[in-house]
Amino acid sequence: KNEVEQSPQNLTAQEGEFITINCSYSVGISALHWLQQHPGGGIVSLFMLSSGKKKHGRLIATINIQEKHSSLHITASHPRDSAVYICAVSNYGGSQGNLIFGKGTKLSVKP
Amino acid sequence: EPEVTQTPSHQVTQMGQEVILRCVPISNHLYFYWYRQILGQKVEFLVSFYNNEISEKSEIFDDQFSVERPDGSNFTLKIRSTKLEDSAMYFCATRDSYPNQPQHFGDGTRLSIL
Repeated sequence: KNEVEQSPQNLTAQEGEFITINCSYSVGISALHWLQQHPGGGIVSLFMLSSGKKKHGRLIATINIQEKHSSLHITASHPRDSAVYICAVSNYGGSQGNLIFGKGTKLSVKP
Repeated sequence: EPEVTQTPSHQVTQMGQEVILRCVPISNHLYFYWYRQILGQKVEFLVSFYNNEISEKSEIFDDQFSVERPDGSNFTLKIRSTKLEDSAMYFCATRDSYPNQPQHFGDGTRLSIL
């Protein structure tokens, strides 16, 4: 069974700061997902990656398969980035790709 | 952009009653999932559904739970006799059949059992 650990659990930053959220998992996967959950509860998929690095706007996600580790970076953070960021992993091999979630990192960006 | 739609957004029910949570998947998606999130806890997998049958379920998904796609569009989660501990946010997610595609989540149904 895969265990997904995130750090930090809570993060407070000043507007403009560079932010890093880390995720590690215990068993090999086919894909790692970064998700964003807003205070209302809705979940949005940010990235799905199985190797290397992906970038979308101010967000960058990286993964190191050998070390079973991924990072989510936010450049030039803004108060609207305040949300819970969740790392999840999936294995499409034997299963239908159900996700195993980390506990999330609650990010608060102050103006 | 196509969305996954869940109804109702909030359901309040007496313990022991049956509830049905509904999800309208994105139209060309073939894989469907239900997840739940108890307040303050992480999101947990309940069940996956493909080709009109359950493909995988977690130990949470016991005999009180069932899923179906009654009319080819809606995807429903039924809880037969609700318990206090069923209070949670329930998320539907769907994805299409191509490999390495992300799951698209609905906004969730907040279920409160009294």
